[in-house]
Amino acid sequence: GEDVEQSLFLSVREGDSSVINCTYTDSSSTYLYWYKQEPGAGLQLLTYIFSNMDMKQDQRLTVLLNKKDKHLSLRIADTQTGDSAIYFCAENTNAGKSTFGDGTTLTVKP
Amino acid sequence: EAQVTQNPRYLITVTGKKLTVTCSQNMNHEYMSWYRQDPGLGLRQIYYSMNVEVTDKGDVPEGYKVSRKEKRNFPLILESPSPNQTSLYFCASSFSPGDGYTFGSGTRLTVV
Repeated sequence: GEDVEQSLFLSVREGDSSVINCTYTDSSSTYLYWYKQEPGAGLQLLTYIFSNMDMKQDQRLTVLLNKKDKHLSLRIADTQTGDSAIYFCAENTNAGKSTFGDGTTLTVKP
Repeated sequence: EAQVTQNPRYLITVTGKKLTVTCSQNMNHEYMSWYRQDPGLGLRQIYYSMNVEVTDKGDVPEGYKVSRKEKRNFPLILESPSPNQTSLYFCASSFSPGDGYTFGSGTRLTVV
């Protein structure tokens, strides 16, 4: 079945760039997402990319998609302490079926 | 305010006692979905719905039921809860798959 994998932890210094990586297996996925979860809260959609795109930039966030390798990455420029959270990669089909990775815990040190 | 509302936020129940977790959205979204979140397992989709009266199984549907009689509501029913259903549950909705899901605040369920 579908599978989405992410590394579990990432630690960076404030002001550095963070890169969170994700691989997925379902080649029929049409949409790929990055969500952020802060402690005790639900998930917040950060950004998304369609499977026919290679890159998407939104302020400090850059999403890169390598469809051949089924690899997705999220780059956060000028990482701040407020960016500390769990980041989930997810894929969706047109029918609404979704698969999430296990999440990457980002820790930003001052 | 556009939102997905789940109730209750916290629930402790006993094995075998039927319960319903309600979910309602006020954004006229077509798609709705239920997930459970467990440590080390990320989010797993339980059921999802593309529209009224259309529901499909996700990755972990066993022990759960849903219904979609109206567009705004998508309740999650546990007919006979068991301790392995202790988890954090999230409801989410979306206008279309391309928009990504808007999540509720979560329901923390404990089955003893």
